[in-house]
Amino acid sequence: NAGVMQNPRHLVRRRGQEARLRCSPMKGHSHVYWYRQLPEEGLKFMVYLQKENIIDESGMPKERFSAEFPKEGPSILRIQQVVRGDSAAYFCASSPPIQGDEQFFGPGTRLTVL
Amino acid sequence: DQQVKQNSPSLSVQEGRISILNCDYTNSMFDYFLWYKKYPAEGPTFLISISSIKDKNEDGRFTVFLNKSAKHLSLHIVPSQPGDSAVYFCAASDNNDMRFGAGTRLTVKP
Repeated sequence: NAGVMQNPRHLVRRRGQEARLRCSPMKGHSHVYWYRQLPEEGLKFMVYLQKENIIDESGMPKERFSAEFPKEGPSILRIQQVVRGDSAAYFCASSPPIQGDEQFFGPGTRLTVL
Repeated sequence: DQQVKQNSPSLSVQEGRISILNCDYTNSMFDYFLWYKKYPAEGPTFLISISSIKDKNEDGRFTVFLNKSAKHLSLHIVPSQPGDSAVYFCAASDNNDMRFGAGTRLTVKP
C-alpha cells in the first residue's frame, strides 16, 4: 500500500513563474491537507480539501495561492507569480473518509524561488 | 513506505500521571527528530526536538528519549495535564527529507 506521494520532491522556480505541487493521497483516503513549513518554523496549516470541495482554506494566503482536489487525479497546490518568500517545504497529508485523528504525511516538496 | 511509525493511534492517561508516546523509524540516515502537537482545526506546532548525537532532551514537563540502536524515540510528559490533550506527531529528518508519523491522540482525563 503506497503512502502519500508528492511530486516533484524539489522544485526550482524564478520569481514570477508558477509552481504546481501535486499530492496523491493514500488509497481510499478522501481528505487532503496542505501545510507549509518555513525555515525555523513549525508546520502552518493552509487548506483542507475533500474530493471536489474545499472545506477549510483559512490558512491560505488571499492571493496567488489556490488548491484543488478533483474527482480524479491528485490534489494540486498552485502558486502563481512566485516570490522568494514562497520558498519553503510544502507537505500534504491525507486521512480516510471516516474522520479520525490520523494524518498520513507525504515526503514534502521543497520549493526554491530564485 | 512509512519510514516513521506511531503504532498507537490513541492513548488515555489520568491527570498527574506520565504520558509516554512512542515512535519508530526505519531510516538510519535520520539525524534529527521532532515532536509536534496538534489541536483540532490547527496545524501541528513544534514541541521539542533531539539531535542524534544525544539520547535525551528535556524541556519542562516534556522529555524526548532517543534510542538509536533500536531506532526508537519516545516523548514523556510528566505530570500530564488536561491541556496536553491533542494529537502528537513525531517526525524524523536528514539533510534532504522530513518524514512524519501518522499521529497519536493523547487524552488526559481530569
